[in-house]
Amino acid sequence: AQSVTQLGSHVSVSEGALVLLRCNYSSSVPPYLFWYVQYPNQGLQLLLKYTTGATLVKGINGFEAEFKKSETSFHLTKPSAHMSDAAEYFCAVSDTGNQFYFGTGTSLTVIP
Amino acid sequence: DTGVSQDPRHKITKRGQNVTFRCDPISEHNRLYWYRQTLGQGPEFLTYFQNEAQLEKSRLLSDRFSAERPKGSFSTLEIQRTEQGDSAMYLCASSLSMRRAAGANVLTFGAGSRLTVL
Repeated sequence: AQSVTQLGSHVSVSEGALVLLRCNYSSSVPPYLFWYVQYPNQGLQLLLKYTTGATLVKGINGFEAEFKKSETSFHLTKPSAHMSDAAEYFCAVSDTGNQFYFGTGTSLTVIP
Repeated sequence: DTGVSQDPRHKITKRGQNVTFRCDPISEHNRLYWYRQTLGQGPEFLTYFQNEAQLEKSRLLSDRFSAERPKGSFSTLEIQRTEQGDSAMYLCASSLSMRRAAGANVLTFGAGSRLTVL
């Protein structure tokens, strides 16, 4: 069975500070891993994905994530937070590309 | 291609009424998914189609819910005899299913249809 755990339902950072959003997954096979961002009253937008190959994945808006198999983690980072980064972030896992399972989300607040 | 379109964006209905949502996926995508999202939660899987075939349904999908994708293009999600607990955002997503191919197996979401049951 696949599942995703996002540690910390709310994260606050100062503008310009490092953003770190945590995601741990369980999967019986090499997974596909994703981060999505959701702004109020909108659908989810893909930030980045890991399917195969390089374990450090770069996405849009300066975000990146590293797949660590030994830790079953796929944490999302950004070196310097911007006010426009304030949103809800969801980690997702899929084993075969058939079914996708989402975490409960982390709400990011950026303090000016 | 304009992405995944959902209609209506907002629906307010009285308890006991039926509602129908429509989703138009990205044209070359062969898979279409329905998710439900409540406040403060992640998307919960409801069902998905590959072309016109409904391949899987969640146990969350009671017999009041039915989804179709008659010609493998657009899809509808109908909720009969709505209950207040059905109030949620209903998200549609589509993807191209292809084994470990670049650009494939990634969900592209629509903006969602928000249902409020009074």
